Amino acid sequence: GNSVTQMEGPVTLSEEAFLTINCTYTATGYPSLFWYVQYPGEGLQLLLKATKADDKGSNKGFEATYRKETTSFHLEKGSVQVSDSAVYFCALGDDKIIFGKGTRLHILP
Amino acid sequence: NAGVMQNPRHLVRRRGQEARLRCSPMKGHSHVYWYRQLPEEGLKFMVYLQKENIIDESGMPKERFSAEFPKEGPSILRIQQVVRGDSAAYFCASSPGGQDTEAFFGQGTRLTVV
Repeated sequence: GNSVTQMEGPVTLSEEAFLTINCTYTATGYPSLFWYVQYPGEGLQLLLKATKADDKGSNKGFEATYRKETTSFHLEKGSVQVSDSAVYFCALGDDKIIFGKGTRLHILP
Repeated sequence: NAGVMQNPRHLVRRRGQEARLRCSPMKGHSHVYWYRQLPEEGLKFMVYLQKENIIDESGMPKERFSAEFPKEGPSILRIQQVVRGDSAAYFCASSPGGQDTEAFFGQGTRLTVV
């Protein structure tokens, strides 16, 4: 069945560092791919999405490209801020939405 | 346009009691998902419903758990005879349906079994 694997955390970076959170997926069809973010005590919010191969989703300085050849959807940001500290979930959507286990990100000032 | 509304936000139950968690989807959304999140863990899919139908309940425990999404009213996740291991955050999400549409999440219900 469909599944999502993302790098385990926690990931700790200094402010203004470059961020990559790896995500790979297994799917029988051509799902949409998503990154969600969860701030402490809150529900998940959609960060960005891509619906087909080679699409790039972007929002708030974050980017991810739908790579069919490597079945990946890695999340990147060029310069992180303390306010980016949160848990990030990679997800794929087919008939239902399947989430990875989440990666906790700590940004130090 | 209100978002996904879950209530209560916090629920405390004694072992053996019943817990009822409610989810009102966004206006116009006919698809509802329930997920469970244990402390320091990811989201585990439980059940996917459309109005009056259970589409996929592969993540639901076989006993004590049930879900419904009636024609009128909110979706209900019901846990009978709760045990300590049921303590978790339960999130509901809704979508208008279709592969390309994202799910919108509620704030969650944090269930504590004492």
